[in-house]
Amino acid sequence: QIRLVESGGGVVQPGGSLRLSCAASGFTFTTHGMHWVRQAPGKGLDWVTLISFEESDKFYADSVKGRFTVSRDNSKSTVSLYMENLRVEDTAVYFCARDPGGDSGSIDYWGQGTLVIVSS
Amino acid sequence: SYVLTQPPSVSVAPGKTATITCGANNIVSKSVHWYQQKTGQAPALVMYYNNDRPSGIPERFSGSNSGNTATLTISRVEAGDEADYYCQVWDSDSDHQVFGGGTRLTVL
Repeated sequence: QIRLVESGGGVVQPGGSLRLSCAASGFTFTTHGMHWVRQAPGKGLDWVTLISFEESDKFYADSVKGRFTVSRDNSKSTVSLYMENLRVEDTAVYFCARDPGGDSGSIDYWGQGTLVIVSS
Repeated sequence: SYVLTQPPSVSVAPGKTATITCGANNIVSKSVHWYQQKTGQAPALVMYYNNDRPSGIPERFSGSNSGNTATLTISRVEAGDEADYYCQVWDSDSDHQVFGGGTRLTVL
């Protein structure tokens, strides 16, 4: 079955950096774009970034552009999110999620998330 | 930026029909997707392309999109439908994915 497993969350000080990873299995990774979506405690869903299946296109939310970098390794079926200059407001559960392809712009599978806490 | 507006909460008695709206300017021009998130769980897709149900989603769930409002309708509501529901579109003008603020469905 399709699985997305995030790792790398933890506690980091404001201004610090962190790298999240997502291991995908159960589908042809090379044919799907991948999203990161976050959710602050008690808040709604907040889209972070999308990387295309060939890594040729990357899109970022305005709130993270210039601070977060998404990448993928198709040989290992992994997608990563490097976050730097972290702010308190970046505290959230970060979900890795699959784009089904085509032009839907939706998400059909989600990981369980990894918690990032930015605090001094 | 494109903004999706949802009511914060909707309450419905078991067996009745719940209607959750998602409002935005000319939303009919976009494909709207809906997610269900139960407490402590990851979101799950319950409707895509306005009114298509993923496999495993009951026929009680239906969707529509017209004018400035998209709607998720849940018929014969069950206790297990209690969750937060989010609408979402891809905004091609900004190349951003956009989520609504979410609606908490309470089954009385």
